Amino acid sequence: GENVEQHPSTLSVQEGDSAVIKCTYSDSASNYFPWYKQELGKRPQLIIDIRSNVGEKKDQRIAVTLNKTAKHFSLHITETQPEDSAVYFCAAGNSGGYQKVTFGTGTKLQVIP
Amino acid sequence: DTAVSQTPKYLVTQMGNDKSIKCEQNLGHDTMYWYKQDSKKFLKIMFSYNNKELIINETVPNRFSPKSPDKAHLNLHINSLELGDSAVYFCASSGDRGRRAFFGQGTRLTVV
Repeated sequence: GENVEQHPSTLSVQEGDSAVIKCTYSDSASNYFPWYKQELGKRPQLIIDIRSNVGEKKDQRIAVTLNKTAKHFSLHITETQPEDSAVYFCAAGNSGGYQKVTFGTGTKLQVIP
Repeated sequence: DTAVSQTPKYLVTQMGNDKSIKCEQNLGHDTMYWYKQDSKKFLKIMFSYNNKELIINETVPNRFSPKSPDKAHLNLHINSLELGDSAVYFCASSGDRGRRAFFGQGTRLTVV
């Protein structure tokens, strides 16, 4: 089955700096890579996703990159703000049949004002 | 309007009891899930249903039994609760075969 590793487990940045979270996956059949943000005590919410037919996707201050050859994908948050503080999860899955996504172990991001 | 709602939000119960968590979605999605999030925040899928049919059943003790009376509902019944069952249980739904998942607010289960 799919195995997703996520690093770092915790990340502290100054407000205004950039934050990068990296994930690797094991199953070369995976072609869908969502990222979820979970604020303290809240539900995980999808913030961005990417499919394997593109290498990069951007939405305002967040961007995701994918390297299928190396089986790496990353989340980049620029100009971080205190409200970006949360746990971020990467995930990987494939679109064949009724697929499931496998989640990474999460990164706790703290943005220091 | 809440898209995916689950009840109760908090559940405190004694070891050995049987309890149920209910989940409903009003998004018209075909696929619903149960996830378990432990104290270390790991999110692990337990079950997935598509149009009332079980399609994913991870290695979960058979004390856990999901039931889907229709595609808008997926309930989770847990028998003989154990201390290790304490966690937050999230229901989720998806309209596109398991991709963009919408989560419920979670049920924090504490077994004492």
